[in-house]
Amino acid sequence: QSALTQPASVSGSPGQSITISCTGTSSDVDNYNLVSWYQQAPGKAPKLIVYEVTKRPSGVSNRFSGSKSGNTASLTISGLQAEDEADYYCCSYAGRDTFLLFGGGTKLTVL
Amino acid sequence: QITLKESGPTVVKPTQTLTLTCTCSGFSLSTGGVGVTWIRQPPGKALEWLALIYWNDDKRYSPSLKSRLTITKDTSKNQVVLTMTSMDPLDTGTYYCAHTIFGEFPLQYGIDVWGQGTTVTVSS
Repeated sequence: QSALTQPASVSGSPGQSITISCTGTSSDVDNYNLVSWYQQAPGKAPKLIVYEVTKRPSGVSNRFSGSKSGNTASLTISGLQAEDEADYYCCSYAGRDTFLLFGGGTKLTVL
Repeated sequence: QITLKESGPTVVKPTQTLTLTCTCSGFSLSTGGVGVTWIRQPPGKALEWLALIYWNDDKRYSPSLKSRLTITKDTSKNQVVLTMTSMDPLDTGTYYCAHTIFGEFPLQYGIDVWGQGTTVTVSS
């Protein structure tokens, strides 16, 4: 099973909104509402920012929002801040055999 | 407060077996729904899921690495151990253990707490 597909990089200016896509297949993203997103600052462990496609853990800013349409999930960050500059990874449950897939990661640059 | 900490060798030789330990605190590995998973990240590359073990000893492995991986837990020590055989330089990277919960669905609430990671270099 291949990794989920994300753009290698995105960028935006402070205050703007950006969206990161995550494309899977009918066996993973499209078949389960079990997509999660992780933010990874340089040299740090990943941090959960969205789970079950749209839900945010306690303490995560409401500037982060998730959605899904068919086999593509998306993470939108509104009101970009310098501190949002990081790598972002999507992840999807993929059934009993493959189980879990990560995306290739997207580097967000805040201009 | 849930915390996880990885430990193990920093350098292994090619063909050797890697053994990593994840010491968990703030939760019990025997509590219903609890899972611990291992994920790795080669330098400058993406996250890759490796294996997961649940409270009931149910185990899942990455299909591409299944033949090389074994995940076990020691409930008395609240530790999870991952072994990976036939190590290769391509296995170099940071290895993370992390906490998850099986709610109504697997990983329903995501991988919510991560360890700091441990760096493993495979070199002769």
